[in-house]
Amino acid sequence: EDQVTQSPEALRLQEGESSSLNCSYTVSGLRGLFWYRQDPGKGPEFLFTLYSAGEEKEKERLKATLTKKESFLHITAPKPEDSATYLCAVQADRTGGSYIPTFGRGTSLIVHP
Amino acid sequence: EAGVTQSPTHLIKTRGQQATLRCSPISGHTSVYWYQQALGLGLQFLLWYDEGEERNRGNFPPRFSGRQFPNYSSELNVNALELEDSALYLCASSLWGMDTQYFGPGTRLTVL
Repeated sequence: EDQVTQSPEALRLQEGESSSLNCSYTVSGLRGLFWYRQDPGKGPEFLFTLYSAGEEKEKERLKATLTKKESFLHITAPKPEDSATYLCAVQADRTGGSYIPTFGRGTSLIVHP
Repeated sequence: EAGVTQSPTHLIKTRGQQATLRCSPISGHTSVYWYQQALGLGLQFLLWYDEGEERNRGNFPPRFSGRQFPNYSSELNVNALELEDSALYLCASSLWGMDTQYFGPGTRLTVL
């Protein structure tokens, strides 16, 4: 069974204080790992897809990295508008099977001005 | 390019009633997924439709059902509503079953 564990559950930062969010996963054959941002009461907003260990992707103050066991979402010099819940999901590579991703519970990030 | 759209935004029902939620995928996407996100819980997979067929189903009772229309839009029906069905229902779409899922804004269902 695929498993995704995100840590910490909640993170409070001061504006400009860089940090990282962790996504540990167990999957038999990774097809893709996804990061989303979700604001309260809204649908998740797609950020990144990572496919293989060593891959990195960046968008503004966010950088996602991937190893064989975990992914990190690095937030550099965050601003209050980066406050949201960040979700990680993994999609297993199953021959002829389901590609339904498994989501973690998310990390709630609050950035104080 | 228009994203995934969902309607209604909010829906209030009483216990025992039926609810119908609608979703239009991104143009060109054939797969539609439905998720339930109850307060404090993660996204729980409900249903996956592609080319008008139900391709996969999550661990939910049969009173959760749906369909996909020829234009790839989709409908989620929840019969015999229970208080525990109160949640944010999210629809996502992707190219056939494989790629990144893009989510709609969700429908907030409240069961009284």
